Formats: sequence, C-alpha cells, structure tokens
Amino acid sequence: DIVMTQSPDSLAVSLGERATINCKSSQSVSYSSNRKNYLAWYQQKSGQPPKLLIYWASTRESGVPDRFSGSGSGTDFTLTISSLQAEDVAVYYCQQYHSTPLTFGPGTKVDIK
Amino acid sequence: EVQLVQSGAEVKKAGESLRISCKTSGYTFSSYWIGWVRQMPGKGLEWMGIIYPGDSDTKYSPSLQGQVTISADKSISTAYLHWSSLKASDTAMYYCARTIAAPGSKFDSWGQGTLVTVSS
Repeated sequence: DIVMTQSPDSLAVSLGERATINCKSSQSVSYSSNRKNYLAWYQQKSGQPPKLLIYWASTRESGVPDRFSGSGSGTDFTLTISSLQAEDVAVYYCQQYHSTPLTFGPGTKVDIK
Repeated sequence: EVQLVQSGAEVKKAGESLRISCKTSGYTFSSYWIGWVRQMPGKGLEWMGIIYPGDSDTKYSPSLQGQVTISADKSISTAYLHWSSLKASDTAMYYCARTIAAPGSKFDSWGQGTLVTVSS
C-alpha cells in the first residue's frame, strides 16, 4: 500500500497570507509512461463532504479559485493557498490514485491566526 | 448536473445488518466507478472500496475486505454499502464518490454523507 503523510498537522495563518501544506507518498505516484502524478487535493469544511480542489498534482478543478495551487512530483507534493481567505478554513487532504488501495493523507487543518 | 444523494442517518445495534445507498443522476451511471469512503468521528478519510456498475467489478481495501459488501443496481443508478453484522467500531460518516477510473482518476463528485451510529 502507498502510505501518504502530510505536514504540518495544523497551521494558523493570517488573512491574506500564504498557507503551505506538504504531502509525501511512500513510493512514487507517477508513471514514467505519461509523466503524470496521480495525486489529488481535497478540501473538507466542517460538516461537509470533501471537495476536489486539485488533480494530477497541479490541475485546478473547474470553479476552484486561483489562489489554490498544487505542485510537486514523484513522492513530494505541495498545496499552496496564496492569500488565505476566511472561507478557506478547512481540513485539507491529499490522495493518491496511482494504485489500489487508494489512500489519503491524514489531513492538515488550516485556521485563521 | 451530477448528483450523488445518499440515504439518511441510521442508528443501529451491534449485530444488526444495514444497507446504505447512493443514488446518482446527471451522468451515465455504468461508465463511472463509485467508491465508498469512511470517516470515523474526528478522524480522516479512509477508502473502503469501489465498484464499476458497468460490469460489477469491485475492489476492496485489504483492511476492510470481508467486513462490508459493495453493490450496484444499474436499473436505478444506485450504489450500496452493506454490513451483515455491525460493530460499534462501524460508527462513522460514510461518503460515496464518483471517479472515471480506479485506480487512475480522482473523486470528482461526492455524496452528502450518511451517518451510521452503532450502539453496543
């Protein structure tokens, strides 16, 4: 199984400041044949289901604000919120879809400082 | 519009059976996988398994294999998650979610969740 880890567990950022979340996989989640990284990011607000933000490690889902961006390849990935807004308070999860069992990271809680 | 609408909250006793549902609309049900994701109270997301309604191909998380059964009824575009004998540790929120490939693609639409509470 591919184990996903995230850091930090939680962070508090001032409104308008940058938030950075890291995700690491225990083995590569990319295929050399297509050079794609099978990595997604989800946002889960309190009492709501998860919402897809980013897929292929860096492709923003339709309708997601451009302050959200994803980067990385292989085993190391980053989700960046360039200018934190109040509505971004949530838990963020990375997930690999390279192989089954599909696995999620433990989540990173983002709050306002 | 793609929609996944899950059945309502359940309160059960340990040892009882349960089936929860995920009714879909707005797309071709047989052409997408439906996965189930567990979220225990205050915890993270855990993938349980997935089904391709087109041919009923099903894959389970090794840690949950044998504990639950995933099925689908193409005639009513609905997927199911079934327990034959619930345990208190099955208390959780359960989400269904859609993906075009498994493995191979992200979950792009999610149900609203079904809360299952099991008392011992």
